[in-house]
Amino acid sequence: SQQGEEDPQALSIQEGENATMNCSYKTSINNLQWYRQNSGRGLVHLILIRSNEREKHSGRLRVTLDTSKKSSSLLITASRAADTASYFCATGITGGFKTIFGAGTRLFVKA
Amino acid sequence: DAGVTQSPTHLIKTRGQQVTLRCSPKSGHDTVSWYQQALGQGPQFIFQYYEEEERQRGNFPDRFSGHQFPNYSSELNVNALLLGDSALYLCASSFRTGGNTEAFFGQGTRLTVV
Repeated sequence: SQQGEEDPQALSIQEGENATMNCSYKTSINNLQWYRQNSGRGLVHLILIRSNEREKHSGRLRVTLDTSKKSSSLLITASRAADTASYFCATGITGGFKTIFGAGTRLFVKA
Repeated sequence: DAGVTQSPTHLIKTRGQQVTLRCSPKSGHDTVSWYQQALGQGPQFIFQYYEEEERQRGNFPDRFSGHQFPNYSSELNVNALLLGDSALYLCASSFRTGGNTEAFFGQGTRLTVV
């Protein structure tokens, strides 16, 4: 079974708007990562936040992590049509080597 | 600097057959993980190889096996193929700590079992 659960499952917004995606997980983690996938091909790493961090920024991306609630959010500001993709959260499990992915949020940005 | 490369890109096999998928990691990476991604789902961890040994395994049957070579490249083998094995198979490489660092993914191999 998958560790992370993204919310919403799908999101449709206008270009220029902000997009927020949420992720919840179940067990203790070392880090949480966000990936983007276009058209069912390879995943592109966006950002990694460690369990002792609360917020991280990268360009138009802002990620927060709340380990007490076992949740994270990804904010994409000023979205573009090129941001249309599936976004996955993935957790690095404490004491293990594997990364567990959620089912993803499908983002559609209308031009 | 070449990223992660996977071959072949597409493959069609018949039920009961065996398949081998290949992955070359990003230069400087020594850890390879394999994932299965069914349509509309997130990637599911199959196993991870480090120093030519399987370091951790997900909930996949023994029909799924792998190998890592001294040059860090890796193979995924699936025996006795089932229709349900149809999926995108992704290889990811990283350095040393696997799940605790950024992983770079290949473009995947789309396997169709008929």
